[in-house]
Amino acid sequence: NAGVTQTPKFQVLKTGQSMTLQCAQDMNHNSMYWYRQDPGMGLRLIYYSASEGTTDKGEVPNGYNVSRLNKREFSLRLESAAPSQTSVYFCASSPLQGGNTGELFFGEGSRLTVL
Amino acid sequence: AQTVTQSQPEMSVQEAETVTLSCTYDTSENNYYLFWYKQPPSRQMILVIRQEAYKQQNATENRFSVNFQKAAKSFSLKISDSQLGDTAMYFCAFMKWGGSEKLVFGKGTKLTVNP
Repeated sequence: NAGVTQTPKFQVLKTGQSMTLQCAQDMNHNSMYWYRQDPGMGLRLIYYSASEGTTDKGEVPNGYNVSRLNKREFSLRLESAAPSQTSVYFCASSPLQGGNTGELFFGEGSRLTVL
Repeated sequence: AQTVTQSQPEMSVQEAETVTLSCTYDTSENNYYLFWYKQPPSRQMILVIRQEAYKQQNATENRFSVNFQKAAKSFSLKISDSQLGDTAMYFCAFMKWGGSEKLVFGKGTKLTVNP
């Protein structure tokens, strides 16, 4: 039972490099999310996708792009990495839109360091 | 916009004792969910307990219970018979009913259970 799978789990980048964080869920969930976690800041929403083919900005979208490739996959791309993007990134998914139980299921996180 | 405030950055408790973590939130919504998530050192986000705002009865899950005061916009978590495995970061979170199911997190409380 894989749930939400994120890759890679660790990555070190140099300033200006690009990379994509991959996320896949096998629970047939409609909604998917990308959060970042920084010390003392809790988790902040970067982007989310309420359903396949739709994406919307969250609280901290600058410097990121996302793609909802299909119902299972939701990727997060850093086009030109900056040290301020050093963080732990979490992908999450949740079941049917509207009226659901509200629970998000999280991946194990990806630790990204930008030098 | 909704905000969630956890006023206790760190707390500690002796094994087998009871501890209460505080959370307040600000919203103009009438229907919503509130959650407590646990993040142990493994980094995995684990749902501890969930409360629907329309329910007057406080949610309980084994040793975990909440004190939900809707008028005061307060949602505290009580952990009874604390165990060493309860050592973790605890995040309070808010989700508006329906819509895009975005979770808004507090900044977290680091709980240490001492033997």
